Formats: sequence, structure tokens, C-alpha cells
Amino acid sequence: DVKVTQSSRYLVKRTGEKVFLECVQDMDHENMFWYRQDPGLGLRLIYFSYDVKMKEKGDIPEGYSVSREKKERFSLILESASTNQTSMYLCASSLGDNLRNTEAFFGQGTRLTVV
Amino acid sequence: DAKTTQPPSMDCAEGRAANLPCNHSTISGNEYVYWYRQIHSQGPQYIIHGLKNNETNEMASLIITEDRKSSTLILPHATLRDTAVYYCIVLIGTASKLTFGTGTRLQVTL
Repeated sequence: DVKVTQSSRYLVKRTGEKVFLECVQDMDHENMFWYRQDPGLGLRLIYFSYDVKMKEKGDIPEGYSVSREKKERFSLILESASTNQTSMYLCASSLGDNLRNTEAFFGQGTRLTVV
Repeated sequence: DAKTTQPPSMDCAEGRAANLPCNHSTISGNEYVYWYRQIHSQGPQYIIHGLKNNETNEMASLIITEDRKSSTLILPHATLRDTAVYYCIVLIGTASKLTFGTGTRLQVTL
């Protein structure tokens, strides 16, 4: 089974802190995604990556950056956390070049609270 | 990527078929229709996808109209465990940005 693992289920950080959210997948997937989910706003794409060291902005990249140094790991970075970044963060991965296997697999999410 | 329109919520009686509509009138010829669902407190789960033919798997059926401007996800015998938010997405290929709208909240009741 594909496994997408997010490093923390719950996280509490202070305003202004640099925050790292880590995501690891074990199925050699090319694509990886970071989303945030807020009540009434659905899932919104922050960044995605289709290869090592490659990244593309999603719909709400402001205040975030990402790193993909290895194929299995995709990190989301909050350079200076703010209270409006309090949210549920979800990571996902999918195969890159086979249309027959294009489902995305999601991690269980990290609930980040910035105080 | 084409935008999609879904009703915000629907109800369905347990044991009955749940038919969830999705409008994607600006879909292009090489865009696929995907459906995912998200059960409370979990990450989204893939259900099914298709290009222009109807598709069926162990979870659901996907009916795509001939003009491909809309589709319907059918859960043939809904159970309480099917209560979730269902997302309809259209995208090209596998490296496209996978974006979700706000979906349809399906409530299955006794």
C-alpha cells in the first residue's frame, strides 16, 4: 500500500517562528502536493512538485515555500508563521507519467496552530 | 484546467442510490474527470476517473455525458459510511496541478 506520512499530527507554534512540515512517500511517486484546508474554503493547493528540485506555485503560495531535495520527501516551510496560517495541512503524492495510475494518495494531515 | 460546479450538499437514504452531479462545461478534449471523497478528519480518497466512456469500479460508477460537459457519480447502495464531502475535478495528465473546489457534502441517513 502507498503510504504518505506527515511528520506531525498536531503542532503548536508561536507567531514569527520558522515552521517545517515534512511529508514522505514510499512509492517512488514523481508528484507531490501541499494543501491547506479551512472550514468553508475546501482544499486549497499551496505548492506542488513534479520532480526533485522542481516546484510550481499553487493557488495560495504566499507566505510559504517548499523544498524537494529527494524524491520521497516534500517539505513545506512557513518562513515566519502567522496566526492566519493556523489550518489543517495535507500532503499528497501521485505517479507522474502513467495515466492509468493517476490517483493521488493523501497523508493524514497536520493540524497547525499558530499562537 | 476546467472549473467544476457541484451542489453544496445532498441527502440520501441508506440503501438508495446516491447520484452526485458535476458540471464542467469548459472541459477540453484531453481533460479527465476525477472524483475523490473526504470523510471527516481524513485525507481525501480517490474514487474513480474517466475521459469519455462510463466507468465502474467496486466503489462507484461514473457517467459522463456525450458532450462531456457534465458527469454524475453514482454510489449504487449508499451506506452511512459514505457520508463525506465528494469532489469532482478535471485535469490533464498526471503532472497537472490537482486542485479541489468545495465539493458536495453528502449526508446518508437511516
